[in-house]
Amino acid sequence: GAVVSQHPSRVICKSGTSVKIECRSLDFQATTMFWYRQFPKKSLMLMATSNEGSKATYEQGVEKDKFLINHASLTLSTLTVTSAHPEDSSFYICSAPATGGIYEQYFGPGTRLTVT
Amino acid sequence: GNSVTQMEGPVTLSEEAFLTINCTYTATGYPSLFWYVQYPGEGLQLLLKATKADDKGSNKGFEATYRKETTSFHLEKGSVQVSDSAVYFCALIASNSNSGYALNFGKGTSLLVTP
Repeated sequence: GAVVSQHPSRVICKSGTSVKIECRSLDFQATTMFWYRQFPKKSLMLMATSNEGSKATYEQGVEKDKFLINHASLTLSTLTVTSAHPEDSSFYICSAPATGGIYEQYFGPGTRLTVT
Repeated sequence: GNSVTQMEGPVTLSEEAFLTINCTYTATGYPSLFWYVQYPGEGLQLLLKATKADDKGSNKGFEATYRKETTSFHLEKGSVQVSDSAVYFCALIASNSNSGYALNFGKGTSLLVTP
């Protein structure tokens, strides 16, 4: 099946710094990608929909200026956590829908962010 | 709004035992329903899906039936194996979603199968 990669798999940063997480579709093109956040023992929460060539669509309650999303190409979306704080520590997961269908989504393995 | 509720784990079973993981949903319109599985250290994978009432999704011995009257999509397997140990997520895509085809997930149920 199709593969989605994320980089880095885990990152530790200091409070106040910014961190960029990459999501790549390795063998297919994705005009849309989704970014989720997963808290311990909680479900995945949709943060935003990343659209290639246009602005991302953010879910209610998600700060656009804090979680910057750029979808510069058909295979790459990036999530930048700006001025990170300890409460931003979480597991971030991206996904991309299969080409031509809405029912199959391919998920990246996730990025564990720890802000100290 | 749309939401998914699934039984919380962890669920611990012996090999060859029968598995049921309950999932109920709330949604307007006619959602599509999914079960995703996350094996240790891996990304989520689609396990099975059902797109309309009374559809039965099945894969790898797992199955779930879309029950509109009870708004449920319970996951079952007749005989689990150690390799089935993973976290299982019930999810939906609402037909009226403003988020395109983004999935709305339950909290996940951890399954541990012991030899």
